[in-house]
Amino acid sequence: EAQVTQNPRYLITVTGKKLTVTCSQNMNHEYMSWYRQDPGLGLRQIYYSMNVEVTDKGDVPEGYKVSRKEKRNFPLILESPSPNQTSLYFCASSGRTATGELFFGEGSRLTVL
Amino acid sequence: KNEVEQSPQNLTAQEGEFITINCSYSVGISALHWLQQHPGGGIVSLFMLSSGKKKHGRLIATINIQEKHSSLHITASHPRDSAVYICAVSPWGTSGSRLTFGEGTQLTVNP
Repeated sequence: EAQVTQNPRYLITVTGKKLTVTCSQNMNHEYMSWYRQDPGLGLRQIYYSMNVEVTDKGDVPEGYKVSRKEKRNFPLILESPSPNQTSLYFCASSGRTATGELFFGEGSRLTVL
Repeated sequence: KNEVEQSPQNLTAQEGEFITINCSYSVGISALHWLQQHPGGGIVSLFMLSSGKKKHGRLIATINIQEKHSSLHITASHPRDSAVYICAVSPWGTSGSRLTFGEGTQLTVNP
């Protein structure tokens, strides 16, 4: 079954404690991207990757890092989380770019205290 | 002003009604997506459009590139259609890498 898998689905953490949200897809997609969703602001793009070792900033990259060492995985790293990073996070993938059909993970709800 | 505007923000309908959700954007685009987000939070892609019209079951999506406008229609609406519908565009000149989203339309279909 074609899918994008995110972990963890829910996490409560404290300010400054490094965390990683993993994202894995099994469709051999080149394009992967991270978004955050906040009430009143909708979905906003954090980082994206067009292929292995090719990543770039989206609209709200501050406080986040990513890496793309393998085609299937695209982890989102919060080196020093802050309360303003409390949000619902989605990973998505698509064949080559965001102009193809998008496949979303189930979301990761992160709370930073 | 947001690059992507959706209307209405909220919509309540009776089962069986014909529903239209609108999306207007202010930039040239290479693609437009319609997404559905159910109360549990998961997001599903409904359509990707670059021109014309697409149909899937009771859902129809149209786009007018010249007018920078797209519509999502639901025929014979059903309570299970209750969800947030989100429009997203991939602007020209971004190599298909960027997505800008509307704030979504909350649809409630009552039995």
